[in-house]
Amino acid sequence: TLTQPASVSGSPGQSITISCTGTSTDVGGYNFVSWYQQNPGKAPKLIIYDVNNRPSGVSDRFSGSKSGNTASLTISGLRAEDEADFYCSSWTSTSAFYVFGTGTQVTVL
Amino acid sequence: QVQLVESGGGVVQPGGSLRLSCATSGFAFTDYSMHWVRQAPGKGLEWVSIVSYDESQKYYSASVGGRFRISRDNSKDTHYLQMNGLRPEDTALYYCAAARNAAWHNFDFWGQGTLVTVSS
Repeated sequence: TLTQPASVSGSPGQSITISCTGTSTDVGGYNFVSWYQQNPGKAPKLIIYDVNNRPSGVSDRFSGSKSGNTASLTISGLRAEDEADFYCSSWTSTSAFYVFGTGTQVTVL
Repeated sequence: QVQLVESGGGVVQPGGSLRLSCATSGFAFTDYSMHWVRQAPGKGLEWVSIVSYDESQKYYSASVGGRFRISRDNSKDTHYLQMNGLRPEDTALYYCAAARNAAWHNFDFWGQGTLVTVSS
């Protein structure tokens, strides 16, 4: 499991960053990190793939990066509609194959 | 319009079996490998299994290996998860997800999930 903060909050218009810490066998070893937004009662939605790429149709307010064993998701210009749970994921060279982060609840104050 | 629709969930006693289905439309099914991901009530996401586009490769998490079996029918654009020996800790919302063949690690499309409850 990848480690994320349980919750992050910010005011409308601000920027927030969610961290995702793994090891050299997953986040640190490969550029196979993706991020998912899950609104309450809904399925997850891919918002960042391969560390820092956005699928078509995803707002450019979402951006991803990685340094060492930690990946990060930044949401700029925070909006009320961004309130959701966010999960990171990575391929892992261990027999686990794929691991998800513990999840971060984003609150817009 | 991409659609993934899971079905087959329900309530089952410990030790029982269920077969989940994921019917897809709106994309080229054989361009994608298919995953199952589950989410226990109030918990995070957990990867369960993947099947490659041609069924030549199948992988399972340690928690379900030996009990669950993944498959697909490319003529029906559908994939399946046969779950045997169910345990209470298998209780979860089961999502199917599609990943491009060249990038299994990106879960591009998701269904809405089907709920599996294992209880006596």
